[in-house]
Amino acid sequence: GEDVEQSLFLSVREGDSSVINCTYTDSSSTYLYWYKQEPGAGLQLLTYIFSNMDMKQDQRLTVLLNKKDKHLSLRIADTQTGDSAIYFCAESKMTGANNLFFGTGTRLTVIP
Amino acid sequence: DAGVIQSPRHEVTEMGQEVTLRCKPISGHNSLFWYRQTMMRGLELLIYFNNNVPIDDSGMPEDRFSAKMPNASFSTLKIQPSEPRDSAVYFCASSPGTNYNSPLHFGNGTRLTVT
Repeated sequence: GEDVEQSLFLSVREGDSSVINCTYTDSSSTYLYWYKQEPGAGLQLLTYIFSNMDMKQDQRLTVLLNKKDKHLSLRIADTQTGDSAIYFCAESKMTGANNLFFGTGTRLTVIP
Repeated sequence: DAGVIQSPRHEVTEMGQEVTLRCKPISGHNSLFWYRQTMMRGLELLIYFNNNVPIDDSGMPEDRFSAKMPNASFSTLKIQPSEPRDSAVYFCASSPGTNYNSPLHFGNGTRLTVT
């Protein structure tokens, strides 16, 4: 969606950290999500963060939220070849419904 | 749990033909969503249902598109007549509720090609 922007491509070497960035425009967004899409498959929820949080960590994943700048990032530590996929950020609006608005997706390529 | 099941996985049809895409949500989930994914426009929400009732269909491109949910375990998205610009991957997703903290569970999609 036009309200959520991501860079299209990212390449990293196996073992390095990956940082995928996202900007959104709706300050009323309540939850922000990261989804992963592998080839030929649907989107899989990775993690999400409530808008009153700054950071959330879940194993190799760290989500950072800067509400002032409307900037969301996903850091993947010790990136593996199996992490190669398209990563989408998404926001839910204050309407209370969970119809999500997705970014364009960032294609992460992990180089062995 | 089998997850969200979509059929067919691939559909190739000629312009002008009717196309019907099918979705079986996860049992117990009461919200169902249809998304379309293209390279140019990314993921677009077409329509979503809550308790089998269409809540928001503002994303449906035009009258050629229609969606139904006759019961809690089945939904269809129909395109009649189909056009080449309808070629895309169509995803169905379900969630246990309508609150903004109810995650969406996606099916594997139907890849539609209209020639």
